[in-house]
Amino acid sequence: SQQGEEDPQALSIQEGENATMNCSYKTSINNLQWYRQNSGRGLVHLILIRSNEREKHSGRLRVTLDTSKKSSSLLITASRAADTASYFCATDNHQGAQKLVFGQGTRLTINP
Amino acid sequence: EAQVTQNPRYLITVTGKKLTVTCSQNMNHEYMSWYRQDPGLGLRQIYYSMNVEVTDKGDVPEGYKVSRKEKRNFPLILESPSPNQTSLYFCASSLSTPSRGRSDEAFFGQGTRLTVV
Repeated sequence: SQQGEEDPQALSIQEGENATMNCSYKTSINNLQWYRQNSGRGLVHLILIRSNEREKHSGRLRVTLDTSKKSSSLLITASRAADTASYFCATDNHQGAQKLVFGQGTRLTINP
Repeated sequence: EAQVTQNPRYLITVTGKKLTVTCSQNMNHEYMSWYRQDPGLGLRQIYYSMNVEVTDKGDVPEGYKVSRKEKRNFPLILESPSPNQTSLYFCASSLSTPSRGRSDEAFFGQGTRLTVV
């Protein structure tokens, strides 16, 4: 079952600009996580935000969570060529399962 | 170094020839899972395991088997592979346990690209 859905599906910006990706989900959650995937490689965990948190920062990453709208956003500031990757949100199930459900991802391209 | 190791990284096989993709983690995680990734479909969970000898079906378990005899290993078995199982497979592990009641950061292997002809 698809829980998280990212928007846009693809995003292309110039190096130095900020990139914003959005994620919407359907059911109540405990946590929402964001992952990065370089082409054909494994996913790398970026940040986890709990359902009682509204905003979290990690370096150039800023994540917001709006549980009333069942949505989250990932902001990457001052983008670099190395940020080119696919970004996925993953949600768990409020009923206590550890299962993560991934969206289809946003393909981010940073142009030099 | 904390890691999840999958083998092989690439595999081309023929329809019906049994194969096993191995997965091993060195973080003493209790929760392990397998995903397949297909264009336009994202990652879908195949099977998961909450602890040794405890496994359960994910969203797309048909045609797959798993076992969890030891905490660190979680092999994925395709008894009779078919071309629709051509995909990119990922193993993942995390600290999550039922008592925690919530998800935690998942660590992913580098993936196994399987082609069934």
